Amino acid sequence: QLTLKESGPTLVKPTQTLTLTCTFSGFSLTTSGVGVGWIRQPPGKALEWLALIFWNDANRYSPSLNSRLTVTKDTSKNQVFLTMTNMDPVDTATYYCARGLYSVSGLGVYFDYWGQGTLVTVSS
Amino acid sequence: SYELTQPPSVSVSPGQTARITCSGDALPKKFAYWYQQKSGQAPVVVIYDDSKRPYGIPERISGSSSGTMATLIISGAQVEDEADYYCSSTDNSGDHEVFGGGTKLTVL
Repeated sequence: QLTLKESGPTLVKPTQTLTLTCTFSGFSLTTSGVGVGWIRQPPGKALEWLALIFWNDANRYSPSLNSRLTVTKDTSKNQVFLTMTNMDPVDTATYYCARGLYSVSGLGVYFDYWGQGTLVTVSS
Repeated sequence: SYELTQPPSVSVSPGQTARITCSGDALPKKFAYWYQQKSGQAPVVVIYDDSKRPYGIPERISGSSSGTMATLIISGAQVEDEADYYCSSTDNSGDHEVFGGGTKLTVL
């Protein structure tokens, strides 16, 4: 059974750094073509892709948030971490991690399994 | 930055065909993916690689792509298909994923 679960603080203060952990099971992040992505969704708003880390340590970031994001992994513990600096109230959202798969032709990446999400509120 | 454009809402009666569009400049060269999100739940992929259906997704849900537009088609829409639908794809550089703004499908 393939699962992912996000964990981390539910409340952070403005200017603080957020660190979220995605703990997964049922797949390996050493398998070619596999990655773990982070996606967020402010209350009542659309999904927003944040970051991806792949089996080969390559990573990608949203251009608009690139300077604030870092994604890392601990393959031995089946965990992926997302760090977001300088948090602001507009960053209040449900944060999801999801397994990313390269399409066979390499023409895209899609997310086939998602965690339940964790709501992070930014407030003083 | 790259954008995918979807209509905010689509409404159909039960049994009708719903079509949700997604436009983006890179779609001629990149795949489109579609996610269904029901209220309070995590998204579920319903179409990948423009038109492929994951196991367990009903056959009435299909996808197509032509030029700069991808389309999600729900034939014989049912009340249980009511949800927000998001398209996603990759920009021309291949380095950045993006989601569309989402389309609320109402079936009533």
